[in-house]
Amino acid sequence: SAVISQKPSRDICQRGTSLTIQCQVDSQVTMMFWYRQQPGQSLTLIATANQGSEATYESGFVIDKFPISRPNLTFSTLTVSNMSPEDSSIYLCSVGPTPGQGTYEQYFGPGTRLTVT
Amino acid sequence: QKEVEQNSGPLSVPEGAIASLNCTYSDRGSQSFFWYRQYSGKSPELIMSIYSNGDKEDGRFTAQLNKASQYVSLLIRDSQPSDSATYLCAADLTSGTYKYIFGTGTRLKVLA
Repeated sequence: SAVISQKPSRDICQRGTSLTIQCQVDSQVTMMFWYRQQPGQSLTLIATANQGSEATYESGFVIDKFPISRPNLTFSTLTVSNMSPEDSSIYLCSVGPTPGQGTYEQYFGPGTRLTVT
Repeated sequence: QKEVEQNSGPLSVPEGAIASLNCTYSDRGSQSFFWYRQYSGKSPELIMSIYSNGDKEDGRFTAQLNKASQYVSLLIRDSQPSDSATYLCAADLTSGTYKYIFGTGTRLKVLA
């Protein structure tokens, strides 16, 4: 499976500021996703990062709050904008298989632990 | 609202025993199911995927799927203390897509 890295691994930010999280994959992948895992909770899908077009957001998540870029098939960024303490979470990127291969497995990056004070 | 449900645990088993983890899902249209292991402070690691009814074995792990009853299980044979982690069950949000919905996870403790 692909090797996935994320930067930063953790950060402490003040409310009202923004943080951009980077996700880098060592090979070209078609499907990339961004998830959030709030303290003690499970994972929630934020959006699908589409290469060359706008991200597709899930219910409850909007582009103004979580802008996403996907400039190529190995890289994506997620920005958490105008942060509040409720945004304190682990943010994870994941990659999926090439469509049409008959498998649907996703692999996760190491995550970014964000604390908003 | 589509849901994946798991018992939060902790499930405690002695070393060498079989650990049985269960998961139910609400959407009868779900076709793809996954088990992830998550150690504290780490990201989820894929253990098993299963798409067809029946059993799928990989080493000490066996995933079982029963679509009629809408449940998925994971058996861990010869449990080791290193298996102590939270196990997350996931299902596809929409059949044939790559979007997942996760359960809240079951915490497993293997006692030495």
